[in-house]
Amino acid sequence: DTAVSQTPKYLVTQMGNDKSIKCEQNLGHDTMYWYKQDSKKFLKIMFSYNNKELIINETVPNRFSPKSPDKAHLNLHINSLELGDSAVYFCASSQFSGAPNTGELFFGEGSRLTVL
Amino acid sequence: AQSVTQLGSHVSVSEGALVLLRCNYSSSVPPYLFWYVQYPNQGLQLLLKYTSAATLVKGINGFEAEFKKSETSFHLTKPSAHMSDAAEYFCAVINMKTSYDKVIFGPGTSLSVIP
Repeated sequence: DTAVSQTPKYLVTQMGNDKSIKCEQNLGHDTMYWYKQDSKKFLKIMFSYNNKELIINETVPNRFSPKSPDKAHLNLHINSLELGDSAVYFCASSQFSGAPNTGELFFGEGSRLTVL
Repeated sequence: AQSVTQLGSHVSVSEGALVLLRCNYSSSVPPYLFWYVQYPNQGLQLLLKYTSAATLVKGINGFEAEFKKSETSFHLTKPSAHMSDAAEYFCAVINMKTSYDKVIFGPGTSLSVIP
């Protein structure tokens, strides 16, 4: 039973299209994240939700909109896709325990987005 | 603000040789430090973490890392490399005094193991 699952695993689409990636975790964690990994493997945090509340919102274009319907799900919708959006998008979760928190992240397998 | 640097974007070792992957951090407050591993076409998984207890931390698959405050380092080692260790390795830091998880990853080191 996969702990953090993302769908779809691969997306190939044209510039200007809109796409969504879905993420679900069955670990009972209360914090979820979206990370972007570029072609050089560099990982950058995009968003984080704690119990459906947005707590981290990095400098990401407004075309990216996360949504957390409940603490087990975090979706990412991308409007007007651009070539530079091509990357692997990782969902992750963790158990936020206040201070000190553990920082241990559990990652999904990634969703590889290719914009043509 | 915290940051992490990893010296060497690519490291090659022979099977059975020592693995040493370097990580230096910058943090104004005591950090928590982590090493994650990413196998091809997979997500990251935690290898080990330092959380201000013992400075020598043991992780999975025979890896260990030592926290050295004076050198602001957290290098990852393994005495004998195995072919299955070939992967991308990320050092990461978190600021323990923030009120939420914000893990900052280093740029990664790709480890190749030569038979």
